[in-house]
Amino acid sequence: ETGVTQSPTHLIKTRGQQVTLRCSSQSGHNTVSWYQQALGQGPQFIFQYYREEENGRGNFPPRFSGLQFPNYSSELNVNALELDDSALYLCASTPPGGNTGELFFGEGSRLTVL
Amino acid sequence: QKEVEQNSGPLSVPEGAIASLNCTYSDRVSQSFFWYRQYSGKSPELIMSIYSNGDKEDGRFTAQLNKASQYVSLLIRDSQPSDSATYLCAVVHSGGYQKVTFGTGTKLQVIP
Repeated sequence: ETGVTQSPTHLIKTRGQQVTLRCSSQSGHNTVSWYQQALGQGPQFIFQYYREEENGRGNFPPRFSGLQFPNYSSELNVNALELDDSALYLCASTPPGGNTGELFFGEGSRLTVL
Repeated sequence: QKEVEQNSGPLSVPEGAIASLNCTYSDRVSQSFFWYRQYSGKSPELIMSIYSNGDKEDGRFTAQLNKASQYVSLLIRDSQPSDSATYLCAVVHSGGYQKVTFGTGTKLQVIP
């Protein structure tokens, strides 16, 4: 059984640029969530996708957007990067019928904005 | 008031002792509670879930839930150096979309 995979693992961008992060969910998991984890903080919910539609959104501005594809993989796009966007971005999948809090995380994409 | 609060620690315990990690939450109608372990530089890993008042045991781990007092705890018996990590409490809120809120985590250090 393949776990959640994310790419890239590390990336450096400059302020104002745009970034796309990718995630493949665990086999059979049809719900994907994205979280931002700043240093020393807990993960903060960005949004969740189920059946290719956004199913919930946290307190993040519209420049954070996402997609889910028919194979359940997902993308997180961030436009007009700011210094405070520097963080670990975590993708998590949830098994069908599973509790929302039952999250299987990928290893994350560490974004540094200079 | 934060939605989910944890003492950031570090909590230091000697090897073989019981580590007690606590979490309080503000949303009285929260229904589901989870504990995640996060090693330094790694992603969170689910270790326990609890949905009803009382205790739930899984190996050396025991989760405790008291909805009336709005707290959740995690006990780790016979603590090992490999248990040294940050433990994150997560709460699922009821109604509409079931948002998951994480605490900031408690760093546990098990001293050999």
